[in-house]
Amino acid sequence: QKEVEQDPGPLSVPEGAIVSLNCTYSNSAFQYFMWYRQYSRKGPELLMYTYSSGNKEDGRFTAQVDKSSKYISLFIRDSQPSDSATYLCAMSSWDSSYKLIFGSGTRLLVRP
Amino acid sequence: DAGVTQSPTHLIKTRGQQVTLRCSPKSGHDTVSWYQQALGQGPQFIFQYYEEEERQRGNFPDRFSGHQFPNYSSELNVNALLLGDSALYLCASSLGADQSTDTQYFGPGTRLTVL
Repeated sequence: QKEVEQDPGPLSVPEGAIVSLNCTYSNSAFQYFMWYRQYSRKGPELLMYTYSSGNKEDGRFTAQVDKSSKYISLFIRDSQPSDSATYLCAMSSWDSSYKLIFGSGTRLLVRP
Repeated sequence: DAGVTQSPTHLIKTRGQQVTLRCSPKSGHDTVSWYQQALGQGPQFIFQYYEEEERQRGNFPDRFSGHQFPNYSSELNVNALLLGDSALYLCASSLGADQSTDTQYFGPGTRLTVL
């Protein structure tokens, strides 16, 4: 079993829809949680960074962390075709924060 | 403000050869991490360099080695290339002194093809 599980998709939604992306994990030591966006043949771009549990909002993006369920989510409001990309969740533990553990990514397609 | 840069963009090698990939961190960053991303997979941590020393290593064989220079730039070397080493190699930089703020920013990657 992988430490971080992520549905590969693809997830196809119409423009303007609310998108929900999720990851589950098995290591209870994870404290730092990130979401990256990766366009085809490009490097990952950091979208959201969250420490421990709770919510964080930045523009159209909201990140949620539920440590009791070992479950994290990224919500995208008013999705745009330019949001079409692969979304990677990543996490690390307090004693090994340098080493990011990634999910395999979810492909998102926003249809005009 | 320049972000993380990597060179070369693409590289084609044959099995058994050796390769060197290069990375310059984002301005103000002193820590470089290397990741391998196979097609359709998330990046996998290879190792991290801080103060010119390897600080942590992932589950990769000794064929993978690295170096960090005084100007914080870094090289990744892979010896005795295997077909399975074909991947996108990503460099990420961060400010490594404080673990709680060790947010990593990625470069565009080097796509290595081993034939």
